[in-house]
Amino acid sequence: QVQLVESGGGVVQPGRSLRLSCAASGFTFSDYAMHWVRQAPARGLEWVAVLSYDGSNGYYGDSVQGRFTISRDNSKNTLFLQMNSLRVEDTAVYYCVRDPSVGGSRVGSFDIWGQGTVVTVSS
Amino acid sequence: IVLTQTPLSSPVTLGQPASISCRSSQSLVHSDGNTYLSWLHQRPGQPPRLLIYKVSNRFSGVPDRFSGSGAGTDFTLRISRVEAEDVGVYYCMQARQSWTFGQGTKVEIK
Repeated sequence: QVQLVESGGGVVQPGRSLRLSCAASGFTFSDYAMHWVRQAPARGLEWVAVLSYDGSNGYYGDSVQGRFTISRDNSKNTLFLQMNSLRVEDTAVYYCVRDPSVGGSRVGSFDIWGQGTVVTVSS
Repeated sequence: IVLTQTPLSSPVTLGQPASISCRSSQSLVHSDGNTYLSWLHQRPGQPPRLLIYKVSNRFSGVPDRFSGSGAGTDFTLRISRVEAEDVGVYYCMQARQSWTFGQGTKVEIK
């Protein structure tokens, strides 16, 4: 069964750090680019970051550039999001998502979503 | 790229059709010739799930009552006959330049 399971969320004070993890199973993790997408309370969806299948290229949304770092360990089928200098506006459910584009055939969307992990930034 | 969905809320009658519009601030035609506009559905308390990709391609397992159309900057999601399980929020999403989402359209039963 193809599955993504996020962990690491919690309540943290502004300015502090948090590290999210996403455990993948049921597919060849190292074949796929992976993203983080977040959803603030009662708000829409915001793309956060993407990392290529081999971890060589990462890109970030403007609101997190310079503060967040995406990484992966393909030997452990795990994706990470290191979040530093957290702000109140980073409060959201963070989803780990799979980009189904492989072998040069781009799909341009996200086919597998985790259940999400909640990050609350509050003093 | 900004995506604007209309309406923001859509009360529908079971068995009747429904449609949602998504307008982009720029053309979504990529240099590779593809148009990267997709539609996702989010039920309450659940993560989004992919319905349609590249304008009109139904994702695996998606019922054929869902269809997508459009080109350039104007796109539409249609549900031919709404069922109870179709309630929730629908998002359009573009992947031509980075990734952005529309603000969502809430579909509820009258």
